[in-house]
Amino acid sequence: GQSLEQPSEVTAVEGAIVQINCTYQTSGFYGLSWYQQHDGGAPTFLSYNALDGLEETGRFSSFLSRSDSYGYLLLQELQMKDSASYFCAVRGRDDKIIFGKGTRLHILP
Amino acid sequence: KAGVTQTPRYLIKTRGQQVTLSCSPISGHRSVSWYQQTPGQGLQFLFEYFSETQRNKGNFPGRFSGRQFSNSRSEMNVSTLELGDSALYLCASSYADRGGRELFFGEGSRLTVL
Repeated sequence: GQSLEQPSEVTAVEGAIVQINCTYQTSGFYGLSWYQQHDGGAPTFLSYNALDGLEETGRFSSFLSRSDSYGYLLLQELQMKDSASYFCAVRGRDDKIIFGKGTRLHILP
Repeated sequence: KAGVTQTPRYLIKTRGQQVTLSCSPISGHRSVSWYQQTPGQGLQFLFEYFSETQRNKGNFPGRFSGRQFSNSRSEMNVSTLELGDSALYLCASSYADRGGRELFFGEGSRLTVL
C-alpha cells in the first residue's frame, strides 16, 4: 500500500529550530509537499520538493531524498504562531493524493 | 482574489439523511479535490475533478459522490449518513490538472451526524 509516516507530535522552544520528518512509501512519486494547518483553519501550502535537496522559503526549509524516500520540514527561529499541525503529502503513480496523518507542533515559551 | 469558498460551514444531520456540500474554487482554477479530515487520521482523499471530469476517486464507499460544473464549482454528496461520516470536509483547488504541487484549501464544512 501507499503511506506517509510522520511523528504525531513534536515539542520545541520558542526561538529554536525544529525538524519534522516524513517517510513515504508509494508506487510512484511526483514530489513532496508540506502544509500547515492551525486549529480551526484551512491547510495552507508551505513548500514543495520535486528533486533531491533543500528548498528554502524564509524561516521554513524543506528537504527531500528520493533514494531514501524521506523528507523533512525545518522551521527556524520558532515563533508561538508556528504552533500548528504540519502535513506532508505526495501524489502517487495512481494519481491519488496522499497526506500523512500530521505532526502537531507544540512550542514552549 | 477570493479564496476557495465552501458552504455550508457547519451542519448537523441525523443518520440516514443525505447531505450536499458545495465548493467554489479560486477564479481560474479548474481542478478541485475533496478530502475528509478526522482527528488522528489526517486528510483522506475523496475525489478529484478537472474540467467536469472525475480524475480519481479515493477508497470511500459509493455513498460518497461528487461532480463538477462547467464553472468549476464542485459539489459532493453523502447519502445514507452514518455516525462515522462526522468529519471536516475540505475542498482544494489548483490551476493545473493533477495539481498536486500546491493546493489551495477552503475552510471546510464541518459535518456532525447524530
